[in-house]
Amino acid sequence: GQNIDQPTEMTATEGAIVQINCTYQTSGFNGLFWYQQHAGEAPTFLSYNVLDGLEEKGRFSSFLSRSKGYSYLLLKELQMKDSASYLCAVVDSNYQLIWGAGTKLIIKP
Amino acid sequence: ETGVTQTPRHLVMGMTNKKSLKCEQHLGHNAMYWYKQSAKKPLELMFVYSLEERVENNSVPSRFSPECPNSSHLFLHLHTLQPEDSALYLCASSQARDITTDTQYFGPGTRLTVL
Repeated sequence: GQNIDQPTEMTATEGAIVQINCTYQTSGFNGLFWYQQHAGEAPTFLSYNVLDGLEEKGRFSSFLSRSKGYSYLLLKELQMKDSASYLCAVVDSNYQLIWGAGTKLIIKP
Repeated sequence: ETGVTQTPRHLVMGMTNKKSLKCEQHLGHNAMYWYKQSAKKPLELMFVYSLEERVENNSVPSRFSPECPNSSHLFLHLHTLQPEDSALYLCASSQARDITTDTQYFGPGTRLTVL
Protein backbone atom coordinates (compact mmCIF):
# COMPACT_ATOMS: atom_id res chain seq x y z
CA GLY A 1 0.00 0.00 0.00
CA GLN A 2 0.94 3.64 -0.25
CA ASN A 3 1.70 5.58 2.87
CA ILE A 4 2.71 9.07 3.92
CA ASP A 5 3.79 9.62 7.54
CA GLN A 6 3.93 12.96 9.32
CA PRO A 7 3.84 13.81 13.03
CA THR A 8 0.31 14.64 14.13
CA GLU A 9 1.21 17.73 16.11
CA MET A 10 4.26 19.84 16.95
CA THR A 11 4.80 22.81 19.23
CA ALA A 12 7.44 25.52 18.78
CA THR A 13 8.27 28.96 20.14
CA GLU A 14 7.92 32.24 18.29
CA GLY A 15 11.24 33.23 16.71
CA ALA A 16 12.60 29.69 16.76
CA ILE A 17 13.15 27.10 14.00
CA VAL A 18 11.05 23.99 13.46
CA GLN A 19 11.46 21.02 11.13
CA ILE A 20 8.42 19.01 10.03
CA ASN A 21 9.30 15.59 8.66
CA CYS A 22 7.50 13.53 6.04
CA THR A 23 8.36 9.96 5.07
CA TYR A 24 6.69 8.15 2.22
CA GLN A 25 6.31 4.71 0.67
CA THR A 26 4.64 5.03 -2.70
CA SER A 27 4.48 3.19 -6.01
CA GLY A 28 6.87 5.42 -7.88
CA PHE A 29 7.70 9.06 -7.29
CA ASN A 30 7.07 12.11 -9.41
CA GLY A 31 7.49 14.89 -6.90
CA LEU A 32 6.49 16.01 -3.43
CA PHE A 33 4.36 18.97 -2.40
CA TRP A 34 4.01 20.85 0.86
CA TYR A 35 0.83 22.80 1.55
CA GLN A 36 -0.14 25.06 4.46
CA GLN A 37 -3.68 25.05 5.82
CA HIS A 38 -4.87 27.50 8.45
CA ALA A 39 -7.85 26.38 10.50
CA GLY A 40 -11.07 26.80 8.54
CA GLU A 41 -9.24 27.86 5.39
CA ALA A 42 -8.09 26.40 2.08
CA PRO A 43 -4.77 24.58 1.77
CA THR A 44 -2.26 26.81 -0.02
CA PHE A 45 0.83 25.74 -1.96
CA LEU A 46 4.21 26.14 -0.26
CA SER A 47 6.73 24.10 -2.25
CA TYR A 48 7.39 21.36 -4.78
CA ASN A 49 10.49 19.13 -4.81
CA VAL A 50 11.35 16.54 -7.42
CA LEU A 51 15.17 16.47 -7.19
CA ASP A 52 17.24 15.73 -4.10
CA GLY A 53 18.35 18.70 -2.08
CA LEU A 54 17.18 21.83 -0.37
CA GLU A 55 14.90 24.44 -1.90
CA GLU A 56 14.80 27.73 -0.04
CA LYS A 57 11.98 30.21 -0.26
CA GLY A 58 12.24 33.00 2.27
CA ARG A 59 11.68 31.72 5.80
CA PHE A 60 10.56 28.34 4.47
CA SER A 61 12.80 25.62 3.02
CA SER A 62 11.95 22.14 1.80
CA PHE A 63 14.35 19.21 1.57
CA LEU A 64 14.04 15.94 -0.35
CA SER A 65 15.95 12.66 -0.29
CA ARG A 66 14.44 10.25 -2.81
CA SER A 67 16.68 7.36 -1.79
CA LYS A 68 15.44 7.64 1.80
CA GLY A 69 11.81 8.41 0.93
CA TYR A 70 12.08 11.47 3.13
CA SER A 71 11.34 15.16 3.05
CA TYR A 72 11.22 17.93 5.59
CA LEU A 73 9.83 21.44 5.75
CA LEU A 74 11.98 23.89 7.69
CA LEU A 75 10.41 27.03 9.07
CA LYS A 76 12.73 29.74 10.41
CA GLU A 77 12.03 32.83 12.53
CA LEU A 78 8.65 31.45 13.46
CA GLN A 79 5.76 33.86 13.66
CA MET A 80 2.38 33.38 15.32
CA LYS A 81 0.75 33.36 11.87
CA ASP A 82 2.70 30.16 11.07
CA SER A 83 0.32 28.27 13.36
CA ALA A 84 -1.40 25.98 10.88
CA SER A 85 -1.46 22.44 9.56
CA TYR A 86 1.22 21.44 7.08
CA LEU A 87 0.30 18.80 4.50
CA CYS A 88 2.79 16.61 2.67
CA ALA A 89 1.68 15.03 -0.63
CA VAL A 90 3.54 12.77 -3.06
CA VAL A 91 2.86 12.29 -6.78
CA ASP A 92 3.06 8.56 -7.49
CA SER A 93 3.84 6.71 -10.71
CA ASN A 94 0.23 7.09 -11.89
CA TYR A 95 0.44 10.85 -11.29
CA GLN A 96 -1.95 10.51 -8.37
CA LEU A 97 -1.45 12.78 -5.37
CA ILE A 98 -1.07 10.75 -2.17
CA TRP A 99 -1.69 12.92 0.90
CA GLY A 100 -0.42 12.73 4.45
CA ALA A 101 -2.77 13.46 7.34
CA GLY A 102 -1.00 16.73 8.06
CA THR A 103 1.01 18.12 10.96
CA LYS A 104 -0.66 20.68 13.21
CA LEU A 105 1.96 23.25 14.23
CA ILE A 106 1.29 25.27 17.37
CA ILE A 107 3.38 28.39 17.93
CA LYS A 108 3.71 29.71 21.47
CA PRO A 109 4.84 33.22 22.41
CA GLU B 1 -7.69 35.02 -2.48
CA THR B 2 -10.86 34.48 -4.53
CA GLY B 3 -9.48 32.15 -7.19
CA VAL B 4 -11.67 29.23 -6.07
CA THR B 5 -14.92 29.86 -4.24
CA GLN B 6 -17.26 27.40 -2.57
CA THR B 7 -20.81 27.76 -1.31
CA PRO B 8 -22.20 27.24 1.19
CA ARG B 9 -19.39 27.47 3.73
CA HIS B 10 -21.39 25.54 6.30
CA LEU B 11 -24.23 23.06 5.81
CA VAL B 12 -26.27 21.04 8.26
CA MET B 13 -28.60 18.45 6.79
CA GLY B 14 -30.65 15.49 7.81
CA MET B 15 -30.11 12.05 6.37
CA THR B 16 -33.18 12.33 4.13
CA ASN B 17 -32.35 15.74 2.69
CA LYS B 18 -31.01 16.57 -0.75
CA LYS B 19 -28.52 19.40 -1.05
CA SER B 20 -25.82 20.57 -3.44
CA LEU B 21 -22.36 22.03 -2.94
CA LYS B 22 -21.09 24.52 -5.47
CA CYS B 23 -17.56 25.34 -6.55
CA GLU B 24 -16.44 28.03 -8.98
CA GLN B 25 -12.92 28.76 -10.17
CA HIS B 26 -11.84 32.04 -11.74
CA LEU B 27 -8.36 30.91 -12.78
CA GLY B 28 -9.01 29.60 -16.28
CA HIS B 29 -8.06 26.08 -15.21
CA ASN B 30 -9.07 22.91 -17.03
CA ALA B 31 -9.15 20.41 -14.17
CA MET B 32 -11.32 20.42 -11.06
CA TYR B 33 -11.39 18.13 -8.04
CA TRP B 34 -13.57 17.22 -5.07
CA TYR B 35 -11.85 16.13 -1.85
CA LYS B 36 -13.17 14.99 1.51
CA GLN B 37 -11.17 16.08 4.56
CA SER B 38 -11.90 14.40 7.89
CA ALA B 39 -10.15 15.26 11.14
CA LYS B 40 -6.66 13.78 11.43
CA LYS B 41 -7.03 11.87 8.16
CA PRO B 42 -5.39 12.44 4.78
CA LEU B 43 -7.29 14.25 2.09
CA GLU B 44 -9.44 11.77 0.17
CA LEU B 45 -9.79 12.42 -3.54
CA MET B 46 -13.40 11.85 -4.58
CA PHE B 47 -13.77 13.01 -8.17
CA VAL B 48 -11.66 14.56 -10.89
CA TYR B 49 -12.88 16.40 -13.95
CA SER B 50 -10.67 17.34 -16.86
CA LEU B 51 -12.12 19.53 -19.58
CA GLU B 52 -15.57 18.88 -18.13
CA GLU B 53 -15.25 15.09 -18.38
CA ARG B 54 -15.06 12.91 -15.30
CA VAL B 55 -11.71 11.15 -15.37
CA GLU B 56 -11.67 9.67 -11.92
CA ASN B 57 -14.14 8.33 -9.40
CA ASN B 58 -12.45 6.81 -6.39
CA SER B 59 -15.09 4.32 -5.29
CA VAL B 60 -17.28 7.04 -3.87
CA PRO B 61 -20.77 5.98 -2.73
CA SER B 62 -23.57 6.83 -5.13
CA ARG B 63 -25.14 9.15 -2.55
CA PHE B 64 -22.50 11.64 -3.81
CA SER B 65 -23.11 12.75 -7.38
CA PRO B 66 -20.81 15.24 -9.13
CA GLU B 67 -21.68 17.53 -12.00
CA CYS B 68 -19.42 19.71 -14.11
CA PRO B 69 -21.48 21.84 -16.51
CA ASN B 70 -18.45 23.83 -17.71
CA SER B 71 -14.78 24.23 -16.89
CA SER B 72 -15.45 26.93 -14.28
CA HIS B 73 -18.15 25.23 -12.24
CA LEU B 74 -18.35 22.02 -10.26
CA PHE B 75 -21.20 20.71 -8.15
CA LEU B 76 -21.52 17.91 -5.65
CA HIS B 77 -25.09 16.71 -5.21
CA LEU B 78 -25.84 15.03 -1.91
CA HIS B 79 -28.73 12.75 -0.99
CA THR B 80 -29.51 10.30 1.81
CA LEU B 81 -26.16 10.93 3.48
CA GLN B 82 -24.93 9.21 6.61
CA PRO B 83 -23.52 10.82 9.78
CA GLU B 84 -20.04 9.52 8.85
CA ASP B 85 -20.18 11.73 5.76
CA SER B 86 -19.79 14.76 8.02
CA ALA B 87 -16.50 16.39 6.98
CA LEU B 88 -14.94 19.34 5.21
CA TYR B 89 -15.48 19.09 1.45
CA LEU B 90 -12.81 20.86 -0.53
CA CYS B 91 -12.86 21.82 -4.17
CA ALA B 92 -9.62 22.40 -6.06
CA SER B 93 -8.56 23.30 -9.56
CA SER B 94 -5.36 23.07 -11.60
CA GLN B 95 -4.26 24.15 -15.03
CA ALA B 96 -4.28 20.60 -16.37
CA ARG B 97 -4.77 17.09 -15.04
CA ASP B 98 -1.59 15.40 -16.18
CA ILE B 99 1.21 17.79 -15.33
CA THR B 100 3.01 16.50 -12.27
CA THR B 101 4.21 19.89 -11.13
CA ASP B 102 0.78 21.42 -11.52
CA THR B 103 -0.20 23.13 -8.30
CA GLN B 104 -3.73 22.63 -7.12
CA TYR B 105 -5.59 25.70 -5.88
CA PHE B 106 -8.14 25.00 -3.19
CA GLY B 107 -11.37 26.63 -2.19
CA PRO B 108 -12.14 27.31 1.49
CA GLY B 109 -14.35 24.24 1.76
CA THR B 110 -17.87 23.45 2.89
CA ARG B 111 -18.17 22.17 6.46
CA LEU B 112 -20.89 19.54 6.22
CA THR B 113 -22.69 18.11 9.24
CA VAL B 114 -25.13 15.24 8.74
CA LEU B 115 -27.56 14.71 11.60
